[in-house]
Amino acid sequence: IQMTQSPSSLSASIGDRVTITCRASQGISNYLVWFQHKPGKAPKSLIYAASSLQSGVPSKFSGSGSGTYFTLTISSLQPEDFATYYCQQYSDYPHTFGQGTKLDIK
Amino acid sequence: EVQLVESGGGLVQPGRSLRLSCATSGFTFENFAMNWVRQAPGKGLEWVSGISWNSGRIGYADSVKGRFTISRDNAKSSLYLQMNSLRAEDTAFYFCARGNDYSVVSHSDYWGQGTLVTVTS
Repeated sequence: IQMTQSPSSLSASIGDRVTITCRASQGISNYLVWFQHKPGKAPKSLIYAASSLQSGVPSKFSGSGSGTYFTLTISSLQPEDFATYYCQQYSDYPHTFGQGTKLDIK
Repeated sequence: EVQLVESGGGLVQPGRSLRLSCATSGFTFENFAMNWVRQAPGKGLEWVSGISWNSGRIGYADSVKGRFTISRDNAKSSLYLQMNSLRAEDTAFYFCARGNDYSVVSHSDYWGQGTLVTVTS
C-alpha cells in the first residue's frame, strides 16, 4: 500500500491553521496514524485510528478520513509545532509511511 | 514508565552483519507487537519490520526482505533485528517502537531514541 502525503513542505505563520493530506493507494479503513517528528527526537504519535487523539496530545491536533483519504489539521500554530509530519497505515504489513510534510515558519 | 532502549549500532563494512537489540521496560512486553523503523540521513521515516506478540506474524519492507530478520524474546522483554548483507543504503538511525496492542493491526505508540548504523567501506 502506497501512502502519498501533500504538500511535501508547508510554510505558515504563528497562529495559522494548516491541513495536511494523506492518500492511500487502496482502502485501509481507519488504520492510519499521524506522527510529529523533530530532529534528534523519537517520533511522537498524535492521532491514531484516523481521528482519535493520542493521550496527552493537545486538542489543536485533529484528524479525519477513512478508506483512502485522510487529513491532519493543526490549529493555532505555535513555535513548538514546526516539525515534520508523517502519516502511516497499519492495516497490514508492511506498515508504510507517507513521505512526510515539513512544516516551517514563514 | 514505558522505556525502549536500542543498542548494537555502529560502523560496519558493506556485506557484513550487525545485530540490533531493543531492551524494554515499564510494560508487559509479551502483550504487544513490536516494530523497527529507520530514518536515513536527510530522508523520511521507513518502516523496516514488525512482529506480533507471539512471533506468529512477521513482516518486512521490500528493501530488507531476505537480508534482515526480526525476532523477540518475551522472557527477556527484548526485540532484535539481525541485519545481514548490509548495504550503504541501510545507513540510518534505527528506532524500536511498540505497537499499541498484540496484533499486526496496531500503531506504534512508544518509541526508543534510536541507534545509528553506518555502512561504509
